[in-house]
Amino acid sequence: EPEVTQTPSHQVTQMGQEVILRCVPISNHLYFYWYRQILGQKVEFLVSFYNNEISEKSEIFDDQFSVERPDGSNFTLKIRSTKLEDSAMYFCASTPDRAGNTIYFGEGSWLTVV
Amino acid sequence: DAKTTQPPSMDCAEGRAANLPCNHSTISGNEYVYWYRQIHSQGPQYIIHGLKNNETNEMASLIITEDRKSSTLILPHATLRDTAVYYCIVRSYNTDKLIFGTGTRLQVFP
Repeated sequence: EPEVTQTPSHQVTQMGQEVILRCVPISNHLYFYWYRQILGQKVEFLVSFYNNEISEKSEIFDDQFSVERPDGSNFTLKIRSTKLEDSAMYFCASTPDRAGNTIYFGEGSWLTVV
Repeated sequence: DAKTTQPPSMDCAEGRAANLPCNHSTISGNEYVYWYRQIHSQGPQYIIHGLKNNETNEMASLIITEDRKSSTLILPHATLRDTAVYYCIVRSYNTDKLIFGTGTRLQVFP
């Protein structure tokens, strides 16, 4: 069964460093997402991406965050200058399109900022 | 997106049916009901979704009331591996995101 894959599974970084989280969405999917979950809290929407541009973003997704689809398969989330409060599990997701189609999630990348 | 209300926690004996309720009284006509679950800190796993009719797949059944203001997810024979947080999410036809609430923590016991 096709799945969304994410790398790395766990990354530890120093505060102020840049981090790039990588995702390979399911082939032929057109909509991509990043979510995050701080330990013990809800899964929170960060951003959705379609046709090489952001279609929607939340208040959390400030100027420190960016997303990119550098080639035909990868979808990345960059955090420019990490803060302690960026420590969380980050989930990538994809769907063929909107309108009743299922959104599939990856297993997540656990980011620890020290 | 319409909001949903779920009990914070439920218990179920292994082998019995787990019935997880969800209220979505403000749901509108073009909004789907989705169910996901999250085991520990793994990625949310899709279970099932529906619009008006009851749905069944290999994992579960979804029963939606006629007025669509509530629904029930049924795991027909719960196993210990079904212990997870279950999220009921209402998603508009016109939006491309899911908004997660706090869900129901289902504990299946032997």
